[in-house]
Amino acid sequence: KAGVTQTPRYLIKTRGQQVTLSCSPISGHRSVSWYQQTPGQGLQFLFEYFSETQRNKGNFPGRFSGRQFSNSRSEMNVSTLELGDSALYLCASSLAAGGTEAFFGQGTRLTVV
Amino acid sequence: QKEVEQNSGPLSVPEGAIASLNCTYSDRGSQSFFWYRQYSGKSPELIMFIYSNGDKEDGRFTAQLNKASQYVSLLIRDSQPSDSATYLCAVNMDSNYQLIWGAGTKLIIKP
Repeated sequence: KAGVTQTPRYLIKTRGQQVTLSCSPISGHRSVSWYQQTPGQGLQFLFEYFSETQRNKGNFPGRFSGRQFSNSRSEMNVSTLELGDSALYLCASSLAAGGTEAFFGQGTRLTVV
Repeated sequence: QKEVEQNSGPLSVPEGAIASLNCTYSDRGSQSFFWYRQYSGKSPELIMFIYSNGDKEDGRFTAQLNKASQYVSLLIRDSQPSDSATYLCAVNMDSNYQLIWGAGTKLIIKP
């Protein structure tokens, strides 16, 4: 059974650009959550999608957005990148919405220069 | 504000000893509790979950839940250097059915 796949694994972008990250959940899982993790920080919740609808959203500016497709694949977009957006972005897949066991992808490491 | 608290550590434990990791949470209505292990530079990996008061054992790992005192702990018996990692506690807060994460405890097992 394939795990959670995140692409790309590494990304270098320039301040002011935008970026799109992709996450393919485990087959049959309908919930996808996104997190930002910076050194020394815990997991900062960005948003959760279930059946193409955003269920919950964390305290991030509107530059961070996401969506989910009918096949449960999800993308997150960050516009007008800032240096502080450099982080590991993690996607977690769950069978159901709202706080069931979550399985993480390997993450996308974004560096903004 | 709904919170999950963990001691950031590092917690240093000799090889072969029992490592005890603790987590407290604020929402008394919380129903599900999860422990994840995260190696440096890697993504979190689910190692245990517990729903009911008491102990749940899986190999060298034991999760303990006390809802009255609002804490959950993870015991690692016969600690190995490969157990050195950051351990994250996550709690399903009843009111909005969202996983709330602690900041993690860094565990170091000394050979």
